[in-house]
Amino acid sequence: GQQLNQSPQSMFIQEGEDVSMNCTSSSIFNTWLWYKQDPGEGPVLLIALYKAGELTSNGRLTAQFGITRKDSFLNISASIPSDVGIYFCAGQFMDSNYQLIWGAGTKLIIKP
Amino acid sequence: EPEVTQTPSHQVTQMGQEVILRCVPISNHLYFYWYRQILGQKVEFLVSFYNNEISEKSEIFDDQFSVERPDGSNFTLKIRSTKLEDSAMYFCASSEAEVEKLFFGSGTQLSVL
Repeated sequence: GQQLNQSPQSMFIQEGEDVSMNCTSSSIFNTWLWYKQDPGEGPVLLIALYKAGELTSNGRLTAQFGITRKDSFLNISASIPSDVGIYFCAGQFMDSNYQLIWGAGTKLIIKP
Repeated sequence: EPEVTQTPSHQVTQMGQEVILRCVPISNHLYFYWYRQILGQKVEFLVSFYNNEISEKSEIFDDQFSVERPDGSNFTLKIRSTKLEDSAMYFCASSEAEVEKLFFGSGTQLSVL
């Protein structure tokens, strides 16, 4: 089946540092979504991307839809303690109208 | 802000029992989904539902699973005869359009003993 490779698996950073994570696939995707999940909660949508090359910001978060349609990255600038959590990429690939394929997640931990 | 609500938040059941997980999607949304997440693993697609019928389902969604929209507000997932491996967090989601901006509920943690 289709797979998304998300990296890194986890990140330990200092407060104030910038963060970058990405997802890649061998398949072409129509849509990329980035979610954050806190423990015991459902994923919360951060950014949605619909066009190749699209660059979208949401506050300190910026995400881009790769030109090849096979990858996307998420950047967080000047991280703060509440950024801690697990970040997931999810994509809708060309052969499906409804199904999102999910990455394995990037766990963000901020060192005190 | 409108949100997807799920009940119960936790469900413990014996293997072989039937469970029904309930969801109230966002009111003006037309597309509904169930996903599940086994502890520490990826979120996995189960099924999507539109216009009162299943529009797509995954291999996980076998004959033991069914979905229903019994009225204008609720969307349910039924597992007829639960297995140990059904233990997971089940998330309901809804969207205004196909796979556009899915909004998730807080999940139902299902534990099958």
